[in-house]
Amino acid sequence: DAKTTQPNSMESNEEEPVHLPCNHSTISGTDYIHWYRQLPSQGPEYVIHGLTSNVNNRMASLAIAEDRKSSTLILHRATLRDAAVYYCIPAAGNMLTFGGGTRLMVKP
Amino acid sequence: NAGVTQTPKFQVLKTGQSMTLQCAQDMNHNSMYWYRQDPGMGLRLIYYSASEGTTDKGEVPNGYNVSRLNKREFSLRLESAAPSQTSVYFCASRQGLDYGYTFGSGTRLTVV
Repeated sequence: DAKTTQPNSMESNEEEPVHLPCNHSTISGTDYIHWYRQLPSQGPEYVIHGLTSNVNNRMASLAIAEDRKSSTLILHRATLRDAAVYYCIPAAGNMLTFGGGTRLMVKP
Repeated sequence: NAGVTQTPKFQVLKTGQSMTLQCAQDMNHNSMYWYRQDPGMGLRLIYYSASEGTTDKGEVPNGYNVSRLNKREFSLRLESAAPSQTSVYFCASRQGLDYGYTFGSGTRLTVV
């Protein structure tokens, strides 16, 4: 499994963009880069995933470095509901390995 | 569209008791998964079913059994519960390897 490094915590102001970084220097060529978030007392929620190209959906954008050794999850306008732990997970097979993630705090 | 539904939401067991956690998805997904999350920790895979009729062990399968009853349902059984199995259990599903996962809201299990 690829080892990931994410900041333990980040803070953002409401309505501002947030860039959540992730380093995954040992990622394999077949690993998708998944992002999930988890609110307190809830199950993980899918945010976005991609392989090589940048990806956009209604929740977020995923920017993947050309060498795939890092990626950035972009929340375009943070809201209070976006406060959660965000997990970056490179994965190819049938197992997601959850690390510590980044705790995002959003200030009103 | 309910997504992934887990029952029960809460359960307290005595050591040695057995129980089955139920999971059902209504998205016609091929693959289903059982994870556990201990306090302050990340999720760990217990068992998974890549497609109807198949099951495989994950990272922490000891003390558990699973049944893929049909395409919709995937159950997790604890035959003889132990305090070490106190955890929150999450079921998940997805269409296939190239897709993201949809998680249920969890079953909080306490074994005393």
